[in-house]
This record gives sequence, structure tokens and C-alpha cells, in this order.
Amino acid sequence: EIVLTQSPTTMAASPGEKVTITCRASSSVSYMHWFQQKSGTSPKPWIYDTSKLASGVPDRFSGSGSGTSYSLTISSMEAEDAATYYCLQRSSYPPTFGSGTKLEIK
Amino acid sequence: QVQLKESGPGLVQPSQTLSLTCTVSGFSLTSNSVHWVRQPPGKGLEWVGAIWSGGSTDYNSALKSRLSISRDTSKSQVFLKMNSLQTEDTAIYFCTGGGRFAYWGQGTLVTVSS
Repeated sequence: EIVLTQSPTTMAASPGEKVTITCRASSSVSYMHWFQQKSGTSPKPWIYDTSKLASGVPDRFSGSGSGTSYSLTISSMEAEDAATYYCLQRSSYPPTFGSGTKLEIK
Repeated sequence: QVQLKESGPGLVQPSQTLSLTCTVSGFSLTSNSVHWVRQPPGKGLEWVGAIWSGGSTDYNSALKSRLSISRDTSKSQVFLKMNSLQTEDTAIYFCTGGGRFAYWGQGTLVTVSS
């Protein structure tokens, strides 16, 4: 089973600040997917196939990476971006999620 | 419009069997896979298992001995059965479908307690 390690676990960013969340895989994966989850709601697809934004996701978000290292970046933090973000790999079964990064607004 | 909705008992006693239903609309179970994902309160997401468009299944190895996923395509429903429930199985259970986990239900909280 591929283990995904996200960092940081928790962070706070000021409006306008650039944010980067990292997801490292214990073995190489072909793609990484990202989900946004706000309290009391189900996860929302956010970035798929490493770098493609899901429908409705603002273009201040981007995804990148390859092999064992992937990242989600917000170019300019906004209050509505406060949430928990999870990475997911489906290249190898079973699918596995990262432990999540809780992003707060300062 | 694709919708998934989970249903089932909110409370299950330890050692008993959990039965959940995911009712799908807007897409065909014979063309799409459906996965179950769970989330213990305040914790992260865990893949539980899946039923594929052809009807075959895959399970989380840690749960495999207690888990069964099936479906009724005529009713657009997917079923999860997990036996020998323990307090550690307390979680919100989500069903998700479509490519890349594109669509999610709202989740159903299952509490294992006497």
C-alpha cells in the first residue's frame, strides 16, 4: 500500500499570501488528486490528474509534481480557501489518501 | 444531475452488522464504479472498498474479512455490509462515484455503541 504524507499538517495564511501544500508518496505514482473539505460537508474534487482544476475551482489554485512528490499551490490566499485539503492516489491499489492539511486564514 | 445518497442506521451495537445503502441517480452503475470512503470524527479519509461497473469488488485489506459490497442495478443502489462492528468503526460513511471520485454523497454518521 502506498502511503501519502502531507505537510504541513496545519497552517495559517494571511489574505494574499502564497500557500503550498505538499504530498509525498512512499512509491512513485502516475497522478495525484486533491480534495477540499469544509467542516460538516463531503469532500469536493479540487484538482485531478495532478494539475487539472475541477469545475468551479478558482484559477489561483494550481497543482504540480511527479513521481513521489506533488503539491497544491494557492497563489493568493482568500478567506474562502480555509479548509482541509487531502491528496489521493489511485495509481496503485488500494487507493490511499493523505492525512490532510488544515489551512486556516489569519 | 448526478446524485448519491447514503442511508442506514445511525447507531449500531458492538459486534453487530452494519448495512448501508447508496442510492444513485444521474449515472448508470453498469458504466461507473462506486466506492465507499469513511471518516472517523475529526480524522482523515479512509478508502473502504469499491464495486466496479462490471460488478467485481475490491476491499481495503484491513476490512476485507468483515466487508461485503454488492449492488442492485435495477434500483440504482449499492450496498455495504460490515460485520463484527467495533467502536473504531464509528465514522461518517460516504459513497462516491464517477471517474476520479467526482461525485459524493452527503455521508451518513454511523456510531458503534452499546
